[in-house]
Amino acid sequence: GAVVSQHPSRVICKSGTSVKIECRSLDFQATTMFWYRQFPKQSLMLMATSNEGSKATYEQGVEKDKFLINHASLTLSTLTVTSAHPEDSSFYICSARRSGGGRTDTQYFGPGTRLTVL
Amino acid sequence: KQEVTQIPAALSVPEGENLVLNCSFTDSAIYNLQWFRQDPGKGLTSLLLIQSSQREQTSGRLNASLDKSSGRSTLYIAASQPGDSATYLCAVSPNQAGTALIFGKGTTLSVSS
Repeated sequence: GAVVSQHPSRVICKSGTSVKIECRSLDFQATTMFWYRQFPKQSLMLMATSNEGSKATYEQGVEKDKFLINHASLTLSTLTVTSAHPEDSSFYICSARRSGGGRTDTQYFGPGTRLTVL
Repeated sequence: KQEVTQIPAALSVPEGENLVLNCSFTDSAIYNLQWFRQDPGKGLTSLLLIQSSQREQTSGRLNASLDKSSGRSTLYIAASQPGDSATYLCAVSPNQAGTALIFGKGTTLSVSS
């Protein structure tokens, strides 16, 4: 099956620093990738939709200047958490959409990145 | 706005029991519904995907049903095992291809030996 990787799997940083998380589709091209955030015991919440070659679409309440998304190629999207604060500590998961036309559209999820901001 | 609810939030059963996890959604106009498994601190493993035109899907000891008109889905796990202990998430895809999924909060299952 299709594989999506995320790097790093875990990161601890100091408050005020920036952290970059990578999401890669390893064996298919993904024109669309999604970034989700999951707080403890909560559901996955969509943060933004990343489209290759264009600006990301952010969900209401998600600061685009704080969570910078770049989708420069068909296999890579990056999420940069700028000036991270403890409340940004969360589990970040990406998914990549594999297009097969119509009902064969499938999303494949990465293993997630645990961000802890001290 | 689509909302997905999962009941119960947590469930503890002894090994060998059959069990049912419930998922409900407020807008019946969905493209498909998917059940995932999530182990603590880990990503998602897709278990079953049901297209809007389907009524159920089966994989091994798992059976998922979908009643789109009533906005409900169930995940049936037969002969539960300690290795089934995890959080099970239900997610719906809105009524078009290629859009993000809307997740429930999950049911955390604990199977004791």
